[in-house]
Amino acid sequence: GIQVEQSPPDLILQEGANSTLRCNFSDSVNNLQWFHQNPWGQLINLFYIPSGTKQNGRLSATTVATERYSLLYISSSQTTDSGVYFCAVLNAGNNRKLIWGLGTSLAVNP
Amino acid sequence: ETGVTQTPRHLVMGMTNKKSLKCEQHLGHNAMYWYKQSAKKPLELMFVYNFKEQTENNSVPSRFSPECPNSSHLFLHLHTLQPEDSALYLCASSPRWGGQDTQYFGPGTRLTVL
Repeated sequence: GIQVEQSPPDLILQEGANSTLRCNFSDSVNNLQWFHQNPWGQLINLFYIPSGTKQNGRLSATTVATERYSLLYISSSQTTDSGVYFCAVLNAGNNRKLIWGLGTSLAVNP
Repeated sequence: ETGVTQTPRHLVMGMTNKKSLKCEQHLGHNAMYWYKQSAKKPLELMFVYNFKEQTENNSVPSRFSPECPNSSHLFLHLHTLQPEDSALYLCASSPRWGGQDTQYFGPGTRLTVL
């Protein structure tokens, strides 16, 4: 089945710094989503981005489907950005089940 | 996010106990999901219900028994669990069944099996 790899696994930032999180996938996808899980466990969808670029405030995401990767950019990080960022994809051959990466654990220090 | 609620938020149970997790969605969605989240593992899809009919059971042991009385409510009945079943159990919903729609998650139930 399709493999989803996220990097880096862990990241520590000082407040105000910028960062780039990466998601690589091993096969064609129909859908790619980025999620943020806060330290209390709540998962929130950030972007639905099978291709192209989207921006939402300090966050933006780019997916290059032909090269099988997606990037999540966090600018001017805040302590509230801490948590785990997950990438989840929908394999082109299986339109039912999202396949999840292991996530990038981000800690933003004041 | 208050669109999907889960109770209880925390649960400690012995291996011989029977307990139930509850999920309710207020978004008018047709599909509901149970996921298991364990440390160092990707989220594992357990069950999917579409219009209250079960459409996916991803080889989940029978000690986990789902119930979906209507499109807004989803239960996970637990009995004779094992310590390795300790995890965060997440409920989600989406407008349609399948991964093409954004899934909205509840806050999860942190389960500890002693």
